[in-house]
Amino acid sequence: EIVLTQSPTTIAASPGEKVTITCRASSSVSYMYWYQQKPGASPKPWIYDTSKLASGVPNRFSGSGSGTSYSLTINTMETEDAATYYCQQWSSTPPTFGSGTKLEIK
Amino acid sequence: AVQLVESGGGLVQPKESLKISCAASGFTFSNAAMYWVRQAPGKGLEWVARIRTKPNNYATYYADSVKGRFTISRDDSKSMVYLQMDNLKTEDTAMYYCTAAGGETPFDYWGQGVMVTVSS
Repeated sequence: EIVLTQSPTTIAASPGEKVTITCRASSSVSYMYWYQQKPGASPKPWIYDTSKLASGVPNRFSGSGSGTSYSLTINTMETEDAATYYCQQWSSTPPTFGSGTKLEIK
Repeated sequence: AVQLVESGGGLVQPKESLKISCAASGFTFSNAAMYWVRQAPGKGLEWVARIRTKPNNYATYYADSVKGRFTISRDDSKSMVYLQMDNLKTEDTAMYYCTAAGGETPFDYWGQGVMVTVSS
């Protein structure tokens, strides 16, 4: 199965700061998906097909990447962005998730 | 609006069985592949099982960690999906989410989750 490694595991950012989360795949994947999860809540779809924002996602978010390296970027951090973000692939079965990146407000 | 509502969780002992359910509404259930994804306390997300639609013969797929112990099924007449969990292990303790694709990510829609605790 394809293993997804996210970095960093935890990051703290100040409002207005630019944030980048990386997801590396153990084998090449065609697309990457991202989900946001806040404490006590179910995950929400956040980015699909590597770079497309899911419904309702603010345009300060963006996604990019190809092959084995993908990233999620927040152009200007806002307090509401504090959450855990997971990358996910389904280029190969079984679908797998990264271990998550916890984004905190500094 | 799409709704997925899980039920049937609880505390069971190792080697026991439990069946959890998911009631779906707000979309054409019979046309949708359905999934279960779980999350152990304080841990990340793990895909558990998938069931396809009638035209795809209701084909089922499982994570290696549950293969041979869990069975996913669906009842299109009731818009329900189930997960029968047998020979439960302590490592199966998790929040179990019912999910469905909606055209963007593989897991566009999520229920609120149901907690399954396996402990002696």
